[in-house]
Amino acid sequence: EVHLVESGGGLVQPGGSLRLSCAASGFTFSTYWMSWVRQAPGKGLEWVANINQDGSEKNYVDSVKGRFTISRDNAKNSLYLQMNSLRAEDTAVYYCARGSGYSWWGQGTLVTVSS
Amino acid sequence: DVVMTQSPLSLPVTLGQPASISCRSSQSLVHSDGNTYLFWFQQRPGQSPRRLIYNVSNRDSGVPDRFSGSGSGTDFTLKISRVEAEDVGVYYCMQGTHWPPTFGQGTKVEIK
Repeated sequence: EVHLVESGGGLVQPGGSLRLSCAASGFTFSTYWMSWVRQAPGKGLEWVANINQDGSEKNYVDSVKGRFTISRDNAKNSLYLQMNSLRAEDTAVYYCARGSGYSWWGQGTLVTVSS
Repeated sequence: DVVMTQSPLSLPVTLGQPASISCRSSQSLVHSDGNTYLFWFQQRPGQSPRRLIYNVSNRDSGVPDRFSGSGSGTDFTLKISRVEAEDVGVYYCMQGTHWPPTFGQGTKVEIK
């Protein structure tokens, strides 16, 4: 069975950094695009970034460009999101999702940016 | 960016009755490869999203056949033939044809 387990969320001050991880199992991780999608408290879904199978292509929503970096380690079946210069508006549950069709989602990890 | 507009935003329904959610895009979602990358997701209270429908009308494995998707171009619909209690939640459409991928605002389905 497919499993995606996010971790690394927490409380961070504005301007701070955080690194999210997503551990994948139950499928051949290296053959899928992977994405991060976030959901602010009580709000809708917002696509954040994605990465192709070998990590050579990365895309970001404009609001995080230059601050967030998506990466992956296929040997560890893991996806990452390095988040720098965090702002209050980055507060959200961050989900990792499988494939360009978003066919499977993890349970999410909460990032709270507040002083 | 492509704007996805859902209606209604709130949908009270009676158990056993049908329900329909509309999703309209600001541009055609037909990709140059001929596919239409329009997805529907269900988010039950306290849970992560789950994909129900991909490429307009293809139901995911394990999704009850009371859920169906239809549409083309810029107009799409998710229908529930007979609403059950477990269908309560928020439903999102999403387009993957144009960059960046964008979601609708969500439609909250609740039982009357």
